[in-house]
Amino acid sequence: GQNIDQPTEMTATEGAIVQINCTYQTSGFNGLFWYQQHAGEAPTFLSYNVLDGLEEKGRFSSFLSRSKGYSYLLLKELQMKDSASYLCAVMDSNYQLIWGAGTKLIIKP
Amino acid sequence: DAMVIQNPRYQVTQFGKPVTLSCSQTLNHNVMYWYQQKSSQAPKLLFHYYDKDFNNEADTPDNFQSRRPNTSFCFLDIRSPGLGDAAMYLCATSREKTGGSMNTEAFFGQGTRLTVV
Repeated sequence: GQNIDQPTEMTATEGAIVQINCTYQTSGFNGLFWYQQHAGEAPTFLSYNVLDGLEEKGRFSSFLSRSKGYSYLLLKELQMKDSASYLCAVMDSNYQLIWGAGTKLIIKP
Repeated sequence: DAMVIQNPRYQVTQFGKPVTLSCSQTLNHNVMYWYQQKSSQAPKLLFHYYDKDFNNEADTPDNFQSRRPNTSFCFLDIRSPGLGDAAMYLCATSREKTGGSMNTEAFFGQGTRLTVV
């Protein structure tokens, strides 16, 4: 079966750094996505990785290791507005998105 | 400007009364998706259209139907909503694969939160 695992909830302090991990087992791989979702709203795109390595975009970075079936999303200089759920999704060989349940990130002052 | 628009944002319907949710896109993407998302769960794909080609997920109940009259619009019809169908319904689009390279970022609408009473 296909599976995406990520922690259910994490807590971090404003101004700090947090890393959200995602591991996956899917039938084929055509890229991994990270989305941010605030409560009651639709997911918004953060990053896309298809090759191994680190992609940096401002305060957010995403890392992929295809051999390990592993990715992480790194958030720096945390702000209160970063409190949200972060969803990891993998596109399989049929170009279907397989979603994780999301990691709820709580930022404390 | 919103690129994927869902109407309405909030919908209340009666138990068993048919309801239609709508989605439109200005991106001219070939692929449109409907997802159901319940609280603290991952979005669950109901079906998707690749152009006019309809793809139903195996575990999508028959109670859910979809129509895509043209590239820009897609509808989700719930024939007889039950209390368990109360959820956020997300419409998304993605670009067709071209030339062997992929950038299939999915663009989401704001969702329609369905309440069944």
